[in-house]
This record gives sequence, structure tokens and C-alpha cells, in this order.
Amino acid sequence: AQRVTQPEKLLSVFKGAPVELKCNYSYSGSPELFWYVQYSRQRLQLLLRHISRESIKGFTADLNKGETSFHLKKPFAQEEDSAMYYCALSLGGGYQKVTFGTGTKLQVIP
Amino acid sequence: EADIYQTPRYLVIGTGKKITLECSQTMGHDKMYWYQQDPGMELHLIHYSYGVNSTEKGDLSSESTVSRIRTEHFPLTLESARPSHTSQYLCASSAQSGTGKNIQYFGAGTRLSVL
Repeated sequence: AQRVTQPEKLLSVFKGAPVELKCNYSYSGSPELFWYVQYSRQRLQLLLRHISRESIKGFTADLNKGETSFHLKKPFAQEEDSAMYYCALSLGGGYQKVTFGTGTKLQVIP
Repeated sequence: EADIYQTPRYLVIGTGKKITLECSQTMGHDKMYWYQQDPGMELHLIHYSYGVNSTEKGDLSSESTVSRIRTEHFPLTLESARPSHTSQYLCASSAQSGTGKNIQYFGAGTRLSVL
């Protein structure tokens, strides 16, 4: 079965420092990968997906099939980036169940 | 405005009571999901539906049941609530096709406490 691993429960960085939230997955096929974010008192929402290959709020993520990773990166952290981040995997096609990782809380220190 | 609605937002109830958590969406989505999430923990899929009269159990075993009589409505029922059911329940929906396929849209959640 597919699995998503986020090794860090909490990541604290100073404002202006680079951020990397790690995500590894296990699945032998071609999954679709996502990053979802939950800001304080807000709903869980999509941040970005690998097939879009776009930067959202300064965040990017590259799918590395060789390392089965989909790490989320931002060169300069902002205080408003503090939130809970979840990596997620979908098998795609007509099968739209999504497997979520355990989440990483990002804390940006002013 | 297209959205996904969950009611109630908070519910405190005694053991043994029957409860129904409501979820409705005006997104026009065929697929709907229920997740259970303890604070700061991962999301566990407990039920999903691919359309009217289609319901399936998710990855986490749950004593709850769901129904999908209308496309926009996906209520979750607990026949006899217990303290172990205390958790946050998130409803989500996704599109069948198009550029937004596989993206899950979440409701605000229902935080359930069973005393």
C-alpha cells in the first residue's frame, strides 16, 4: 500500500532563513503528489501539486522519482508561513483516494 | 458561492447518543470523503463516495456510517457515541474530471467531544 512519510513533526526556522519540509513516499507507480496547508483557524487547503510545476506563495516542490521524494522549499521564510503542512499522494486515474502524511508544523520565528 | 459546509462546528454530547454530522457541497463534485483527525495528527480516511448511492469504507476502521442519497449531501452518523469517538471530522470533495481532478476541497470540520 502507498505511504507518505514526513519525518519532522515540528520545524522551527528564523524569518528570512530557507525552509525545506521533507516528504518521502512509497509507491511503485506514478502517483500524483500534493502539499496541503492549514493556517491557524483556517481550513485545510491545497498549496501546490507536482503536475502544476508552479510556485505558490514562494514555495516550490519537485518530484524526485529516484528518491521518491517531494520536498517543499522556500528560499526565505516569512512569519505568515507558520502553519501545518501535509504532504499527500493520490494514485491518480479514476482512483481518487488520497493518502496524507502525518504533517509538519512550521514555526517561523520573527 | 461554491463551497463545502459542515455542521455543527462543535458538538459536545453524552455517551450513547445518536449523532449525525452534516456535510454539503455546492462545488458540483461527484466525489466526497470523510476524514478523522486528532489534534496535530494525520488525517485518516474513514469513508468515501464516488457518487449517489456509492459509499465505501476508508483506510481507518470506523463505527460510523454514511449515506449518499443526493450528490451534494454526505452525512455521517454515529448510532451510539462513545468517548473514543472524540475527534475532529473533516469532510472533503473532489472533481471527477478536469484540471481540478484529484484536488480535495475541505470543509471547516466538526469537532466532536463525547463525554
